[in-house]
Amino acid sequence: DSGVTQTPKHLITATGQRVTLRCSPRSGDLSVYWYQQSLDQGLQFLIQYYNGEERAKGNILERFSAQQFPDLHSELNLSSLELGDSALYFCASSVAGAGETQYFGPGTRLLVL
Amino acid sequence: AQKVTQAQTEISVVEKEDVTLDCVYETRDTTYYLFWYKQPPSGELVFLIRRNSFDEQNEISGRYSWNFQKSTSSFNFTITASQVVDSAVYFCALSDSPVNRDDKIIFGKGTRLHILP
Repeated sequence: DSGVTQTPKHLITATGQRVTLRCSPRSGDLSVYWYQQSLDQGLQFLIQYYNGEERAKGNILERFSAQQFPDLHSELNLSSLELGDSALYFCASSVAGAGETQYFGPGTRLLVL
Repeated sequence: AQKVTQAQTEISVVEKEDVTLDCVYETRDTTYYLFWYKQPPSGELVFLIRRNSFDEQNEISGRYSWNFQKSTSSFNFTITASQVVDSAVYFCALSDSPVNRDDKIIFGKGTRLHILP
């Protein structure tokens, strides 16, 4: 158990819908990262938050957004969902950033029908 | 540009054999970090090791060992006396200099390892 929690574990929804994925980092970790794992793209970095502020952006679509709250939990919002958004979404956390080990949550498996 | 290449897509070995998973990386930075993660069939990503670019000492942890060679930009992972529980997808990953203020990890495509009983 990495100490990072993600909810829900599984999510099935329809195209065009909007979903919110939630992540709670390990106690004491200030950085939260979101990654998407799909069969064709592999593991891709989406976005990083550090202590409530956006720190880095990767291959995140405009339909996707995230935020980190004062209690350091984070949410990833996915809207106008398409079939291709079906993937495993991971949250990871680290103490700060800069090359530190990122500990991953169990992931949320999203299926868009 | 950062890049991590795991040329072996899939490997199958018989239990108790040794197996080496290859990882080659590209980066322009002199300070960087390398990682290995394991993804068992259950799907979670399990951290195995982190190595910084200034520490070229090989590391051994039980049946696992890692060989870091800066000269060839490689960070290979060997499992000795493999067991069925080692069956998983293994990812090599790279994180660049903290100066970039970009702490993301770049992952390789992974090597799927099958340990046959």
